[in-house]
Amino acid sequence: DQQVKQNSPSLSVQEGRISILNCDYTNSMFDYFLWYKKYPAEGPTFLISISSIKDKNEDGRFTVFLNKSAKHLSLHIVPSQPGDSAVYFCAASTYSGTYKYIFGTGTRLKVLA
Amino acid sequence: GAGVSQSPSNKVTEKGKDVELRCDPISGHTALYWYRQRLGQGLEFLIYFQGNSAPDKSGLPSDRFSAERTGESVSTLTIQRTQQEDSAVYLCASSPRTGANYGYTFGSGTRLTVV
Repeated sequence: DQQVKQNSPSLSVQEGRISILNCDYTNSMFDYFLWYKKYPAEGPTFLISISSIKDKNEDGRFTVFLNKSAKHLSLHIVPSQPGDSAVYFCAASTYSGTYKYIFGTGTRLKVLA
Repeated sequence: GAGVSQSPSNKVTEKGKDVELRCDPISGHTALYWYRQRLGQGLEFLIYFQGNSAPDKSGLPSDRFSAERTGESVSTLTIQRTQQEDSAVYLCASSPRTGANYGYTFGSGTRLTVV
């Protein structure tokens, strides 16, 4: 049972345009969400997070939106740059004795110069 | 150290052999996590350590998998009698302590190939 879903395995965007990566989840108890970026042969690196008490968090070119009623979050990157080309994972957590993150399957973003 | 270090970076082993994967977390990080990523799939939780104890082992796929952590530092993940379906990138992560707002720092992973 995949509790965190990223239904688009890949996305191509022109440099300078907006990239929108989507993530859906099924567990309404999730209360914290993160996005990670992964380059080939490297470990994932933390990008941005959002708590369930918020609906938006912004950090430079990156903004995460959370729609709790739809159990949906999205990552917006604007303007997109070629260096943003990577695999993006969303992750969600809730407390069940410990905090552990459940990751989606990832979306490969390619920003075209 | 400055980051999470994993060794080896690549391991090819014959089916049926045992393998040991090592993780050196960031110094002072009390929480340590093992995940794996099989081809075309997301990151799959395996086990979590708080200090030297493992309160959550729910992700270990079978009793062929075990892990330990000593000195609140190094952790080893051992896979006995490896099978081809064990082929994956095994990722270790650490965080200062457990808590929702403590993001993980991941290592670069160990790519395990069972032939």
